[in-house]
Amino acid sequence: DAKTTQPPSMDCAEGRAANLPCNHSTISGNEYVYWYRQIHSQGPQYIIHGLKNNETNEMASLIITEDRKSSTLILPHATLRDTAVYYCIVRVGDSNYQLIWGAGTKLIIKP
Amino acid sequence: ETGVTQTPRHLVMGMTNKKSLKCEQHLGHNAMYWYKQSAKKPLELMFVYSLEERVENNSVPSRFSPECPNSSHLFLHLHTLQPEDSALYLCASSQGTAETSYEQYFGPGTRLTVT
Repeated sequence: DAKTTQPPSMDCAEGRAANLPCNHSTISGNEYVYWYRQIHSQGPQYIIHGLKNNETNEMASLIITEDRKSSTLILPHATLRDTAVYYCIVRVGDSNYQLIWGAGTKLIIKP
Repeated sequence: ETGVTQTPRHLVMGMTNKKSLKCEQHLGHNAMYWYKQSAKKPLELMFVYSLEERVENNSVPSRFSPECPNSSHLFLHLHTLQPEDSALYLCASSQGTAETSYEQYFGPGTRLTVT
């Protein structure tokens, strides 16, 4: 079973910030949070990962709460090409490939 | 274009056929992965190769047989499949070892239909 909970779908207006929440209340101290997205008819694409500090890269920002029980992925200026399913994933073992994928959030960017 | 290619993109096969899926990465990566994505189910990890050695075989039925002849190529050999094996099969690679890499690069997948 997935260790994360995400809303099944969200809408966001083009040009606005898209904030995607994720609940991972059973996360352990050494387990990273990963975000990937999957655009229709493509393979998943890595976005960002973090442990306990907030992280930012050219694609997005990841905000992790102090208790690490939840996180938010922020796309600062959403475009129509950001329409995709976004997966919040927690590693479950000692190796970085031991990821449990859930159903994700279908994000629709509207013009 | 992620640098990971998969062929064929679509495959229809009967339950008695034998076929192979091919994955090639042009990134100089050291680890490669096979995933299965069924409709309405989460992505499932099938096999992991790190430095050409298999490090994970996630309780996958023996009708699926992986092969990693070198660090750039990965195959999934299929035989006597069942209709429930119809799915999108995704290949991925990562730069470091599978145990330590944070980022995986995925190919576009092979859409498999078993009739």
